[in-house]
Amino acid sequence: SQQGEEDPQALSIQEGENATMNCSYKTSINNLQWYRQNSGRGLVHLILIRSNEREKHSGRLRVTLDTSKKSSSLLITASRAADTASYFCATDGGAAGNKLTFGGGTRVLVKP
Amino acid sequence: GAGVSQTPSNKVTEKGKYVELRCDPISGHTALYWYRQSLGQGPEFLIYFQGTGAADDSGLPNDRFFAVRPEGSVSTLKIQRTERGDSAVYLCASRAGGFFGELFFGEGSRLTVL
Repeated sequence: SQQGEEDPQALSIQEGENATMNCSYKTSINNLQWYRQNSGRGLVHLILIRSNEREKHSGRLRVTLDTSKKSSSLLITASRAADTASYFCATDGGAAGNKLTFGGGTRVLVKP
Repeated sequence: GAGVSQTPSNKVTEKGKYVELRCDPISGHTALYWYRQSLGQGPEFLIYFQGTGAADDSGLPNDRFFAVRPEGSVSTLKIQRTERGDSAVYLCASRAGGFFGELFFGEGSRLTVL
């Protein structure tokens, strides 16, 4: 079963625009992580936000976490064609223990 | 090694055959995870090792699937009597310390069961 569910499932934007995707989860967590996956490749860790944090930045990435709503968002600012990939949220800890439970992902296409 | 290494990268087999997939984690990482990913889906948890022992194998779909990590480093995922529904990318990941940090993934082993 998947703990996190991303929304939207797919997103198509022009280069330079911002991309926002959301993740909702069901049970308590210790942290929430976002990963990126290029087609046919492994997943790459982007950012981790702990349950006591509300917002975190890393370069062009901004992640928010609302534990009261059990939701998170990932914002990619000034997108580039190279940002084209699938993005997954994953929750860690709480009822899931030490395993990382992934959502279904958002497929982002950035058109040049 | 520098990253998580998985072999083979591609495996095509016939229904009913036995398959082994190997994962070599980042040196010193005590936690090792196996996930399965079907096309267009997110990774699905299979099993998690802390050292040599399977700390959580709740994701293994049935008793045809088994994984070992005898020396606390390399792990092998074993699938008996493969079925067409086993076709997927099998991802391995490792984590330093074992608790609540980022996972480092390999490139995956793509299994196709004909």
